[in-house]
Amino acid sequence: DVKVTQSSRYLVKRTGEKVFLECVQDMDHENMFWYRQDPGLGLRLIYFSYDVKMKEKGDIPEGYSVSREKKERFSLILESASTNQTSMYLCASSLSWSTNEKLFFGSGTQLSVL
Amino acid sequence: AQTVTQSQPEMSVQEAETVTLSCTYDTSENNYYLFWYKQPPSRQMILVIRQEAYKQQNATENRFSVNFQKAAKSFSLKISDSQLGDTAMYFCAWVYGGATNKLIFGTGTLLAVQP
Repeated sequence: DVKVTQSSRYLVKRTGEKVFLECVQDMDHENMFWYRQDPGLGLRLIYFSYDVKMKEKGDIPEGYSVSREKKERFSLILESASTNQTSMYLCASSLSWSTNEKLFFGSGTQLSVL
Repeated sequence: AQTVTQSQPEMSVQEAETVTLSCTYDTSENNYYLFWYKQPPSRQMILVIRQEAYKQQNATENRFSVNFQKAAKSFSLKISDSQLGDTAMYFCAWVYGGATNKLIFGTGTLLAVQP
């Protein structure tokens, strides 16, 4: 089975801190995604990557950046964390460009910014 | 802009009963795919079922089936013989067939299966 691992299940950070959320997948998937999940808003796409060093903005990229130096790893970076970035962050991967490919998700990181 | 709407924030069903979760979407595209994802308390989302818009036949996966009404832009999920393990948040999602798989998700329906 595909495994998508997010490094932290819970994180507490201070306003202004630089925050790194790490995600690793073990099945050589081309695509990787970062979503933010908020009650009443569903999942919103922050960034996605379709290859090493390639990235595209999603619907809510402001305040975030990403890094994909290796195919299996996709990092989400909050350059200067703010309280409105308190949320659940979900990483996902999919095998290819094919649009009916299912996504494989990690277990999420609940980030609290104080 | 494409949108996906789940009008039922929470639902409850008795074990062994049948429940239907609603989803509507808005798009002018003709080539797209629809999905239902399940997020249990463990938080790891898994795919429940998917439907290609060009297929008229409704998708089924064991106890899960969909009622896909393309003209009405409706994509409901029916869970038969509900089990306690079905307790989860369910998300409906849409993706345009001509792009990368950037899914648009609904806001979710929290389903509680009661013993």
